[in-house]
This record gives sequence, C-alpha cells and structure tokens, in this order.
Amino acid sequence: GQQLNQSPQSMFIQEGEDVSMNCTSSSIFNTWLWYKQDPGEGPVLLIALYKAGELTSNGRLTAQFGITRKDSFLNISASIPSDVGIYFCAGQGLNSGNTPLVFGKGTRLSVIA
Amino acid sequence: DAGVIQSPRHEVTEMGQEVTLRCKPISGHDYLFWYRQTMMRGLELLIYFNNNVPIDDSGMPEDRFSAKMPNASFSTLKIQPSEPRDSAVYFCASSEGGFNEQFFGPGTRLTVL
Repeated sequence: GQQLNQSPQSMFIQEGEDVSMNCTSSSIFNTWLWYKQDPGEGPVLLIALYKAGELTSNGRLTAQFGITRKDSFLNISASIPSDVGIYFCAGQGLNSGNTPLVFGKGTRLSVIA
Repeated sequence: DAGVIQSPRHEVTEMGQEVTLRCKPISGHDYLFWYRQTMMRGLELLIYFNNNVPIDDSGMPEDRFSAKMPNASFSTLKIQPSEPRDSAVYFCASSEGGFNEQFFGPGTRLTVL
C-alpha cells in the first residue's frame, strides 16, 4: 500500500530558528495535508494543499505541494516554544473518490528557549 | 462552533471488559472516521461513515471491534472483550464532503490492564 516517509523523525532547535521538514511518497498524491499534534490532544489541521506546485502559508508556517506530486514540505519560520509538538503529513492518492488519507509517522519538534 | 467531542478522555479497564468510546462530530459534517494511534503503527484508520452509513470497516482489527452511528451527531466504537494490546489512543474525526480536511477530536486514551 501507499506509504509516506516523513523526515526528520525528530529535531531539536533553538528558539528563533527556522525549521524544515518533508514528506515523500513512492506514489503520486493529489492532496497533501499538514497537521500538528500537541501532547494529549488530537491532530489539528494546519495547511491543506490541492495543486502541484502550490505554496500556502498560515502565519509563520509555509507548506508546498511538490511538483512531482510525490512530496511536500513544511517550513516554520522564527520558531517559538509553542511550536513544540508532532507534525504529521497526510496524503490522498490519485484514485479519486474517497481514498483514505495516508499519514506519515510524524516529526517531533522540540524548541529550546 | 464546537469541534469534535469525544468521551471519555481516559479509560482504564481490565482485560475482558467491554469498552465503549463516544464521538460527536462537527455539526454539518457528513463523514465520520475512527482512528487508532500507537507509537509503533502511528495513525490507523479503523472505519468510516458517510451520512451515518458504514462505508469501509476493513481497518477494524478484529470482530471484537464494532462501530455504530445511529444519527448524524453521535457515533460509538465498542471493544468487547478488550485486551491489553488494544491499549492506544482512539481518535474520532469528521469532515465535510470526503477525506480531505478532517477535524480530529481530542482522543480517548485507552489502557487495558
């Protein structure tokens, strides 16, 4: 089945630094979603991407839908302590209709003040 | 508008007991999803409903698991009998129109002793 490889698995950064993480797939997706999960809570949708090459921002977060349709990137600028959490990518395959989302295993972000 | 509501938030039970998890989706959403999250396997889709009708339950691990959606504002996931390997966080999510942009509840952390 389809799988998403999310990297890095974890990262430790200083407050104020920029962060980059990515998600790759062996197959083509037509939708990419990025979620953030705080400890003890459910994933919260950050950004949704629907078109190859699309670049979308949400505050300090920017995500891009790769032109190959097999990858997506999430950048966080000027990180702050509340950015701590697990970031998940999710993709929906090209078999249109109701194809289940495939989730990556997450990138655990720690911010050192 | 209230988000997805799940109850209980935490459940500790003994092996062999019946467990019922509850979910209230976002009003107006016609899709409801049940997921299980573990460290080893990440987020797994168990079952989803469209307009209260179960569409795909292929992710339900065993016959011990069952789910119902008697109306548009309520769903249950039942495990009978429960086993220690069922220990996980169970999420309910809802969406409007399909798999895209799912909104997750806070989850139920289940511990089976």
